[in-house]
Amino acid sequence: GAVVSQHPSWVICKSGTSVKIECRSLDFQATTMFWYRQFPKQSLMLMATSNEGSKATYEQGVEKDKFLINHASLTLSTLTVTSAHPEDSSFYICSARPRTDRGGYGYTFGSGTRLTVV
Amino acid sequence: GDSVTQMEGPVTLSEEAFLTINCTYTATGYPSLFWYVQYPGEGLQLLLKATKADDKGSNKGFEATYRKETTSFHLEKGSVQVSDSAVYFCALSGYNFNKFYFGSGTKLNVKP
Repeated sequence: GAVVSQHPSWVICKSGTSVKIECRSLDFQATTMFWYRQFPKQSLMLMATSNEGSKATYEQGVEKDKFLINHASLTLSTLTVTSAHPEDSSFYICSARPRTDRGGYGYTFGSGTRLTVV
Repeated sequence: GDSVTQMEGPVTLSEEAFLTINCTYTATGYPSLFWYVQYPGEGLQLLLKATKADDKGSNKGFEATYRKETTSFHLEKGSVQVSDSAVYFCALSGYNFNKFYFGSGTKLNVKP
């Protein structure tokens, strides 16, 4: 079945540095990728939606200059957390929708990235 | 706007007990409804889905029925196993499937 690879699975960085998280669809082309953030014991919050070749659409309250999303190809989307601070520490999960998906059932989630900013 | 409310956890059950996790939704139009499962340290996996009223989604012994009259999509399993221990998320998606709304998740602990 469809597989989404997310890398790294965990990362620790110093406050003020930037971190890049990759999301790859391994065996399908993803026209749309989604980035979620999950706070401890809470649900997933949609941060942004990215379509290949176009600018990402950010949800209200999400700083687009802080969370840079690039969807350069049909198999790769990246999330860069710029000038990270401890409050950015969270679990980030990507999701990809295959080009062939018609019923919304084909969404595949990555395994997530645990970001800790110290 | 669209939203999903599910029962708070954690839910702790003994093996072979009956499971119910409640989920209700608010949506405009006719959403599709989903249950996702998240095992420790992993991403979300689709467990089951239903696309219209009275549809029943089922998988791995889990079932949920799309009830439009009560705007509910409760998850049930007749006999849980230790391996079912995970966090379960109820979710809905609108007509274009471009946005998912998730509930807060319910952690299930199954003891031997």
